Amino acid sequence: AQRVTQPEKLLSVFKGAPVELKCNYSYSGSPELFWYVQYSRQRLQLLLRHISRESIKGFTADLNKGETSFHLKKPFAQEEDSAMYYCALRGFGGNEKLTFGTGTRLTIIP
Amino acid sequence: IAGITQAPTSQILAAGRRMTLRCTQDMRHNAMYWYRQDLGLGLRLIHYSNTAGTTGKGEVPDGYSVSRANTDDFPLTLASAVPSQTSVYFCASSDRRGQEKLFFGSGTQLSVL
Repeated sequence: AQRVTQPEKLLSVFKGAPVELKCNYSYSGSPELFWYVQYSRQRLQLLLRHISRESIKGFTADLNKGETSFHLKKPFAQEEDSAMYYCALRGFGGNEKLTFGTGTRLTIIP
Repeated sequence: IAGITQAPTSQILAAGRRMTLRCTQDMRHNAMYWYRQDLGLGLRLIHYSNTAGTTGKGEVPDGYSVSRANTDDFPLTLASAVPSQTSVYFCASSDRRGQEKLFFGSGTQLSVL
């Protein structure tokens, strides 16, 4: 079975400070990992996916297969980063549905 | 504007009543999904459909049913609502049988009393 764990339900960070939202997963093969974000009064949307290896809104995430982690990082937090963040996993080999973590609510303190 | 439309936006429902949440997309996506969002539990998959005419059970399917008569519509029915089904429900779709990113609707807040 595939599982995604986000250990922090709430995270508060001062503006300008570094941000790290933790995500760990369990999956017996090579998964595809995603971060989805839900800003206040907006729809849930894709932030980034590991295969793209891109930086979106200053956020990056590296898949660490040894630690089975996909932590989301940003060096300098901005107030507009306040949102609900979900880590998600999709397996391969017929099991193509996304499994989401429980989410982390990030609040940036001005 | 292309996207996913959910209706209603919110609903208060008496326990035991039947309720259908509507979801329509105009992106011609093959795959569609229903999730429920609960505090501390995140997003959990209820049912999904990889293509018109097929459906499958997700993580928490009990008490819910779906149908996929055509590509655009994917209604979710609660045959006899119970208070534990109080939640925010999100419909989503993706292209190429789930290989691409999910597009989400704006959600339906359902309260079962």
